[in-house]
Amino acid sequence: EAQVTQNPRYLITVTGKKLTVTCSQNMNHEYMSWYRQDPGLGLRQIYYSMNVEVTDKGDVPEGYKVSRKEKRNFPLILESPSPNQTSLYFCASSLNGNSPLHFGNGTRLTVT
Amino acid sequence: GEDVEQSLFLSVREGDSSVINCTYTDSSSTYLYWYKQEPGAGLQLLTYIFSNMDMKQDQRLTVLLNKKDKHLSLRIADTQTGDSAIYFCAERRDSSASKIIFGSGTRLSIRP
Repeated sequence: EAQVTQNPRYLITVTGKKLTVTCSQNMNHEYMSWYRQDPGLGLRQIYYSMNVEVTDKGDVPEGYKVSRKEKRNFPLILESPSPNQTSLYFCASSLNGNSPLHFGNGTRLTVT
Repeated sequence: GEDVEQSLFLSVREGDSSVINCTYTDSSSTYLYWYKQEPGAGLQLLTYIFSNMDMKQDQRLTVLLNKKDKHLSLRIADTQTGDSAIYFCAERRDSSASKIIFGSGTRLSIRP
């Protein structure tokens, strides 16, 4: 089944403890992106990647890192999480930069 | 989502038509999308329209685009309880490579 898989679905952590949220797609998509969803703000783009080894900042990149060492994976790294990064995170992919996005089921992160 | 605006809530009676409205600001938008988010799930692409089209119909869904007023609407005919969800309008901007801007989402609730 074609899908975007994120792990974990839920994560509670403490301020400053490094964490990684994984994202994998099995559709051979070139384009991948991370969003955060907050009430009343819709989805805001954190980082995106047009292809392997190519990543760019979105609208809210501060406090996040990403990597794209292989086509299928696009992990989101929080080196030192803070409470304002408590949010619902979505990974998405598309065939290329002009195609509709396919979304994962989300990761709900709580930073205390 | 400040450049793509939607009302936050809409309540309709089961069997009636739902109309969800969206306004955007960038005249260089190439594609406009409607996504549906059910509780606990990621965003699912419902339909999309290219900017040189005025209307697109797909079964119970009708998308209308008024490019002059930068207004997009989604009409759901014969609304059912399974249509309860948050609906996101999104635009893809030609002026900014591979950037999709989301609205804040409209929560559609169905009353009997």
